[in-house]
Amino acid sequence: AQSVTQLGSHVSVSEGALVLLRCNYSSSVPPYLFWYVQYPNQGLQLLLKYTTGATLVKGINGFEAEFKKSETSFHLTKPSAHMSDAAEYFCAVSGRGGGADGLTFGKGTHLIIQP
Amino acid sequence: DTGVSQDPRHKITKRGQNVTFRCDPISEHNRLYWYRQTLGQGPEFLTYFQNEAQLEKSRLLSDRFSAERPKGSFSTLEIQRTEQGDSAMYLCASSLEQVYGRSGYNEKLFFGSGTQLSVL
Repeated sequence: AQSVTQLGSHVSVSEGALVLLRCNYSSSVPPYLFWYVQYPNQGLQLLLKYTTGATLVKGINGFEAEFKKSETSFHLTKPSAHMSDAAEYFCAVSGRGGGADGLTFGKGTHLIIQP
Repeated sequence: DTGVSQDPRHKITKRGQNVTFRCDPISEHNRLYWYRQTLGQGPEFLTYFQNEAQLEKSRLLSDRFSAERPKGSFSTLEIQRTEQGDSAMYLCASSLEQVYGRSGYNEKLFFGSGTQLSVL
């Protein structure tokens, strides 16, 4: 069984400031971890994923996330926020099972960019 | 546009009616997933298909929910005798199975824009 906790349902940052979206997970097996983004009236899009290997994962649009096993965390960061980053962000975890588990999503964090 | 199409975009129905949603995945994708998303929550996994076989359906919310993928291409999700609690966004996603060194689910999912269901 697995679960995801996203700290902060809303995060507001100024344009150009650091973006930090927090995600903690629980999994009984080594996890696969994902960040998805949902823009208004669009489907979810994969930002990045961690499977094995390097714990710092780079994704699209300048985002990156670091898998920290000791902290059971997978926080998403971007050095400089852009207005176009305003969206809903979901952290997700999956375990083994070849798809039978599906993805377990967090409740999401709404990122607001202040001009 | 992710390439996954869902129809209709919006559905308004009266309590007790049956509704059916359609999902057309990316053509070469062999896996298809259904999720439900309610306001303020992340998507919740319902069921998935590998080709035409429904390999997981225990997470469907009740026996009023059923899904099919008859020829391994498009899929339908049906809700019978709808209730107001069924109001939600229903999302479809598809992926191409990839085999890695250890078992697990790690393909990239492509989501459709969803069908918003409102039950009056």
